[in-house]
Amino acid sequence: DAGITQSPRHKVTETGTPVTLRCHQTENHRYMYWYRQDPGHGLRLIHYSYGVKDTDKGEVSDGYSVSRSKTEDFLLTLESATSSQTSVYFCAISESQLAGVGPGELFFGEGSRLTVL
Amino acid sequence: AQTVTQSQPEMSVQEAETVTLSCTYDTSESDYYLFWYKQPPSRQMILVIRQEAYKQQNATENRFSVNFQKAAKSFSLKISDSQLGDAAMYFCAYRSRSNDYKLSFGAGTTVTVRA
Repeated sequence: DAGITQSPRHKVTETGTPVTLRCHQTENHRYMYWYRQDPGHGLRLIHYSYGVKDTDKGEVSDGYSVSRSKTEDFLLTLESATSSQTSVYFCAISESQLAGVGPGELFFGEGSRLTVL
Repeated sequence: AQTVTQSQPEMSVQEAETVTLSCTYDTSESDYYLFWYKQPPSRQMILVIRQEAYKQQNATENRFSVNFQKAAKSFSLKISDSQLGDAAMYFCAYRSRSNDYKLSFGAGTTVTVRA
């Protein structure tokens, strides 16, 4: 199994409070991702990183920010949580496929369930 | 962004029977990857099978096989000899080789296995 750890696994917070989710990998993979999973929507990409301090937005990035100061850590921050951000959040990692190495799939963490009251 | 469509929100199958999950995708690219992921109640995302678009041969992993129709942009998953442990949500996903970074997922199909 890929070494991916998400923390916290469960969190309940109130509207307007800041929240940070952490993803830690031990695989030294280049790419890291944050997805959110909601019923009827599958997994939607929030932000991703293609290297240390290199990040970019996904399709549902409003209200979220990320940081990657080390290869192994990727943080997702909700500056002021809202009820619409109640979701299950997944971190994933991947190696680059452009060099012809790596099978292309993402490896996922176990998910973090966030409830915003 | 690529669109991945799973038109069956739910499927039910009798134990030991076969079920087929459908997936279509929209792309203008010729080189890409397609995946099926399984998500059991534990919530863990598990890779079931992978198909590379330049390979014409359909991928197979034990009881799981795909029917990859590139021209039709269709990528269905067949589960043979269904087992109770196959009960889960299944997601189809697309990854470009030119845009290296992301997978696009379908909305998922929930599979129920009847004993």
